[in-house]
Amino acid sequence: AQKITQTQPGMFVQEKEAVTLDCTYDTSDPSYGLFWYKQPSSGEMIFLIYQGSYDQQNATEGRYSLNFQKARKSANLVISASQLGDSAMYFCAMRGDGANSKLTFGKGITLSVRP
Amino acid sequence: IAGITQAPTSQILAAGRRMTLRCTQDMRHNAMYWYRQDLGLGLRLIHYSNTAGTTGKGEVPDGYSVSRANTDDFPLTLASAVPSQTSVYFCASSVTGGRYGANVLTFGAGSRLTVL
Repeated sequence: AQKITQTQPGMFVQEKEAVTLDCTYDTSDPSYGLFWYKQPSSGEMIFLIYQGSYDQQNATEGRYSLNFQKARKSANLVISASQLGDSAMYFCAMRGDGANSKLTFGKGITLSVRP
Repeated sequence: IAGITQAPTSQILAAGRRMTLRCTQDMRHNAMYWYRQDLGLGLRLIHYSNTAGTTGKGEVPDGYSVSRANTDDFPLTLASAVPSQTSVYFCASSVTGGRYGANVLTFGAGSRLTVL
């Protein structure tokens, strides 16, 4: 079984500052992938970044980076130089390596960027 | 069509009525999924299909059925809607076979369903 935990209440960050959104996970799969999705107020789900459990480097995609700490089972999303358009709900998700493994989501974190 | 199309965008439905949410993708992805999103609960998997002709149950399948007659279409049916099925429903698709579960899901825009 897989479990994703996102426990932060609504987060606030000043424009142009960095922010970290926390995610911890639990799984019995020996290999797995971790994902972050963004959901703006318009409602669509936007893929941001992926980290494989055996990847040697932390994933980065533009202003997004994933702080992956395997021993702690955490996969925090770091957004650098926050922009007003970053205000959204952010979901952490994971999927095991098996053919029948499905993507499991956390409950999400709301981020508000202040001008 | 580019990506995933869901219909209807929004619907109000009387309890007890039958409803089918449509989902069509043009990316030739072999896997498709239905999730529901509820405040405070995130997205929960209802049903999935790894390939045309096969379907499986997710975390919250009760009260829902799906079919996968071809690669592109994956309709979700509520046989007799109840108020607890009021939710936003997302259809998604992906390729399969990536290492470490790397297959990224592409989502539709969602269907907001209200059951009164």
